[in-house]
Amino acid sequence: EIVMTQFPLSLPVTPGEPASISCRSSQSLLQSNGYNYLDWYVQKPGHSPQLLIYLGSTRAPGVPDRFSGSGSGTDFTLKISRVEAEDVGVYYCMYALLSPLFGPGTKVEI
Amino acid sequence: QVQLVQSGAEVKKPGASVKVSCKASGYNFKTYAINWVRQAPGQGLEWMGWISPNNGNTNYAQNFQGRVTMTTDTSTTTAYMELRSLTSDDTAVYYCAREDFSGYDFYSWGQGTLVIVSS
Repeated sequence: EIVMTQFPLSLPVTPGEPASISCRSSQSLLQSNGYNYLDWYVQKPGHSPQLLIYLGSTRAPGVPDRFSGSGSGTDFTLKISRVEAEDVGVYYCMYALLSPLFGPGTKVEI
Repeated sequence: QVQLVQSGAEVKKPGASVKVSCKASGYNFKTYAINWVRQAPGQGLEWMGWISPNNGNTNYAQNFQGRVTMTTDTSTTTAYMELRSLTSDDTAVYYCAREDFSGYDFYSWGQGTLVIVSS
């Protein structure tokens, strides 16, 4: 059974500064087709979750290019190049195959 | 554009069942599986399973097997999630979400349905 962990669980940020969230899985998410089945979501207060990144590093349509995903296997990172006030929310990584599993979430606040 | 509109909030007693609907529009309903995800108050996200409107195939998360049934009505492009034998632990917001891109990427979400289980 895969276990997803994230750190930090709480991340104070400063507008204009970069921010980074780490996600680790207990098993490799790299499949034989060369893709990492790892997504990133953000849930802003009072809203449904929103897909930011899929397959580890591909931005979803409409997602600003200040968001980027990287990593492979068991270790992944979501980076925000310059935080904006609207980026506050809880960020989740998710194992995106067979039996999807979300990480515990990282609360990002100004 | 893709829209998923869910039914309204429900209050149920322990031991009862709840059926939440998710009305889809803006795309070919049969082409994409509908997933269900829930979120208990102040907690994280939990995937419950998916259903293919094309053939009715389902895949339920182990935590919900035997207690959840997902169905679709292609004539009304609506997906349903029924959860039985409710306890207070089932108090949560229930979301439907459409698969996309590589399969388990949820780009389109419903607005969520609050289910409260209380005696």
